Amino acid sequence: DQQVKQNSPSLSVQEGRISILNCDYTNSMFDYFLWYKKYPAEGPTFLISISSIKDKNEDGRFTVFLNKSAKHLSLHIVPSQPGDSAVYFCAASDTGGTSYGKLTFGQGTILTVHP
Amino acid sequence: DVKVTQSSRYLVKRTGEKVFLECVQDMDHENMFWYRQDPGLGLRLIYFSYDVKMKEKGDIPEGYSVSREKKERFSLILESASTNQTSMYLCASSFSGRFPDTQYFGPGTRLTVL
Repeated sequence: DQQVKQNSPSLSVQEGRISILNCDYTNSMFDYFLWYKKYPAEGPTFLISISSIKDKNEDGRFTVFLNKSAKHLSLHIVPSQPGDSAVYFCAASDTGGTSYGKLTFGQGTILTVHP
Repeated sequence: DVKVTQSSRYLVKRTGEKVFLECVQDMDHENMFWYRQDPGLGLRLIYFSYDVKMKEKGDIPEGYSVSREKKERFSLILESASTNQTSMYLCASSFSGRFPDTQYFGPGTRLTVL
């Protein structure tokens, strides 16, 4: 039972345009969401996060939007650059109780930005 | 800078062998995690540990065990390796009770079981 889903396995975008990566979740207890980026032969690195008390968080070219009623979040990258080409993982956490920092990850989306 | 290291980048083992994957973090993190990454399935949690000698099963613990004798070191053990355990294994660590739950990952070990 996949509680975090990224339904697009891949996305191809032209350099300078916007990249939009989507993520859906089913567990209503999730209240904190993160995006990680992964290059080949490297471990994932933290990119940006958002708490359920917000609907938007921005960090430079990266913005994450959260729609709690739809249980949907998205990552916008503007403008996209070739160096952004990587696998992007959405992750969710239930910070209440004794979660011990446990994260549930989606399947990942391969982003390719063409020069 | 947080550093999480894994003992091997690539490993080839035979079916039935006992396999040890080691992970070390240098940031005094309480929590440590083992994941496997497979195409189309993302990162799936195998086991995690929130303190020395403490461990909890993740989503896919079957066929694996773990050991945490020291705070900085978390080992994943495949008791009898099978071909369906061929995968990329990723270790991560994080502070306990620290918000957000940012996990820091090692570079991964690509294990092939023949």
